Amino acid sequence: GAGVSQTPSNKVTEKGKYVELRCDPISGHTALYWYRQSLGQGPEFLIYFQGTGAADDSGLPNDRFFAVRPEGSVSTLKIQRTERGDSAVYLCASSSNGGIGETQYFGPGTRLLVL
Amino acid sequence: GQQVMQIPQYQHVQEGEDFTTYCNSSTTLSNIQWYKQRPGGHPVFLIQLVKSGEVKKQKRLTFQFGEAKKNSSLHITATQTTDVGTYFCAGRASGSRLTFGEGTQLTVNP
Repeated sequence: GAGVSQTPSNKVTEKGKYVELRCDPISGHTALYWYRQSLGQGPEFLIYFQGTGAADDSGLPNDRFFAVRPEGSVSTLKIQRTERGDSAVYLCASSSNGGIGETQYFGPGTRLLVL
Repeated sequence: GQQVMQIPQYQHVQEGEDFTTYCNSSTTLSNIQWYKQRPGGHPVFLIQLVKSGEVKKQKRLTFQFGEAKKNSSLHITATQTTDVGTYFCAGRASGSRLTFGEGTQLTVNP
């Protein structure tokens, strides 16, 4: 596609529920990143995929968070047993092949609110 | 772990005044990137600096990378209302992981 797309744009859920957030990267980009941005803060790295595999998942805050990218394109971020502290904007970015000099192109984000 | 700090957190200027935001990393960086995020929007890439002491310009924006590759600055000359937004630096020490600063929120009074 023309850019990175994310769905849903907004998600409201109740504490304890399970949510899935989807990211569709720029066509042909092998590198995909998930970030979390809280109000007034910079994006916080969660996980980086190179193709189908998670090359760096050191930013995932705990085992309630999990992400997959089974075919090396679309990625899903999964959050189990959501907590109010999970409320944030979840941003996805992609780059051509993950090289250290590459531009990361961000999607519009999914705004998650846990009540 | 690596930390990236940015100051000031907020900056209010009159249109036509200059603006500068500063970024400092706790570790030496391989490169640093700058992003702009408009209110309600997502981060948009502005530029990347790689070399020690590098200076790059984009019209009224001047970006600088420190000699030790641990700090950087963004200077905007003669701000305009279209410059409004939050400016983030993001440093990369190794690998592909970017560590973002907390950003400087710029408001411009017309």
